[in-house]
Amino acid sequence: QQPVQSPQAVILREGEDAVINCSSSKALYSVHWYRQKHGEAPVFLMILLKGGEQKGHEKISASFNEKKQQSSLYLTASQLSYSGTYFCGTGSGGGADGLTFGKGTHLIIQP
Amino acid sequence: KAGVTQTPRYLIKTRGQQVTLSCSPISGHRSVSWYQQTPGQGLQFLFEYFSETQRNKGNFPGRFSGRQFSNSRSEMNVSTLELGDSALYLCASCRDRGTDTQYFGPGTRLTVL
Repeated sequence: QQPVQSPQAVILREGEDAVINCSSSKALYSVHWYRQKHGEAPVFLMILLKGGEQKGHEKISASFNEKKQQSSLYLTASQLSYSGTYFCGTGSGGGADGLTFGKGTHLIIQP
Repeated sequence: KAGVTQTPRYLIKTRGQQVTLSCSPISGHRSVSWYQQTPGQGLQFLFEYFSETQRNKGNFPGRFSGRQFSNSRSEMNVSTLELGDSALYLCASCRDRGTDTQYFGPGTRLTVL
């Protein structure tokens, strides 16, 4: 089942903070976050694993609540380059294979 | 290190034809996954190959197939194309199965007329 992302879209001023949420009805083993700019490939941001392990960029933070099957991506002091569509991909098994992606959150950062 | 490459980048076909898309993973990566991206359905998993074997399959009809070669390069084939197959087809590679990061290629934009 496809995870649900919220909000669907958000417009921010440069320097403001944003939180993007990802919620699943299935038990999760991993959550993967990607950002995609128009006409480009999705770019890896972060992976969060059951048990607390995280791998990702230093400037990106995220949380994973295993019991609630939810993850949140935190974007602080947003920059113009943060604009794009953010996807969460959820894995119920032990790997990144066969991720189920949400429909995405469109983020627009204005100067 | 070169990223994931996909060829061709753009393709126009007509209904009923078949198409083959190619993906070269990052050097050293052994797992290749394919996704279909459309505005309505978003990113949907097609299948995953590892060591020349299909390990996972998404909910797509049998017209969609793939294979992986000994050098980890992968191809996907869509037979009897339908208008609804128009999409961006993305390939992603990762070093190994397990809790590893997937890196996406730029995609092949397929238009079916």
